[in-house]
Amino acid sequence: GENVEQHPSTLSVQEGDSAVIKCTYSDSASNYFPWYKQELGKGPQLIIDIRSNVGEKKDQRIAVTLNKTAKHFSLHITETQPEDSAVYFCAASKGTNAGKSTFGDGTTLTVKP
Amino acid sequence: DAGITQSPRHKVTETGTPVTLRCHQTENHRYMYWYRQDPGHGLRLIHYSYGVKDTDKGEVSDGYSVSRSKTEDFLLTLESATSSQTSVYFCAATGTGTYNEQFFGPGTRLTVL
Repeated sequence: GENVEQHPSTLSVQEGDSAVIKCTYSDSASNYFPWYKQELGKGPQLIIDIRSNVGEKKDQRIAVTLNKTAKHFSLHITETQPEDSAVYFCAASKGTNAGKSTFGDGTTLTVKP
Repeated sequence: DAGITQSPRHKVTETGTPVTLRCHQTENHRYMYWYRQDPGHGLRLIHYSYGVKDTDKGEVSDGYSVSRSKTEDFLLTLESATSSQTSVYFCAATGTGTYNEQFFGPGTRLTVL
């Protein structure tokens, strides 16, 4: 089955700096890659996603890049703010059923004011 | 949480007792899922449902059963709880179609003593 590895497990940045989280996947048939943000005591919430026919997608301060050949994708957060502090999860699926995604183990991002 | 509620939110039980967790959604989503989340791990799929009375196993289904008698309700049952099932359980739902956003409930923290 699919295996998703996520790095780093913890990341601390200064407010205003950029943060990058990287994931690799093993199943070349995966074609949908969502990113979730989970705040303390809450369920994960989708923040951005990318499909395999797209190399990059941006939404304000958040961007995701995908390299299908290398089977890795990354989340980029620019101009970080304290409210960006949370646990971020990447996931991969074959797209027809997004709920059957395989998740990475998560990255705890801390943005220091 | 996009109309997804879970009950109870917290539960402490003893080894060997049966436990049922409830997920309720108000958006008429077709697909529903149960995940467990453990420290240092991402979310792992327990069971999922693709319609009323249609369910299937996920990657960590041993010791769990599910039922879906109505579109809006998805029940997760631990027939005989074990300490290894101490975890935070999340319910999620998606609509029909490819690449639909997955919405998560707020989670249930279960402790098995």
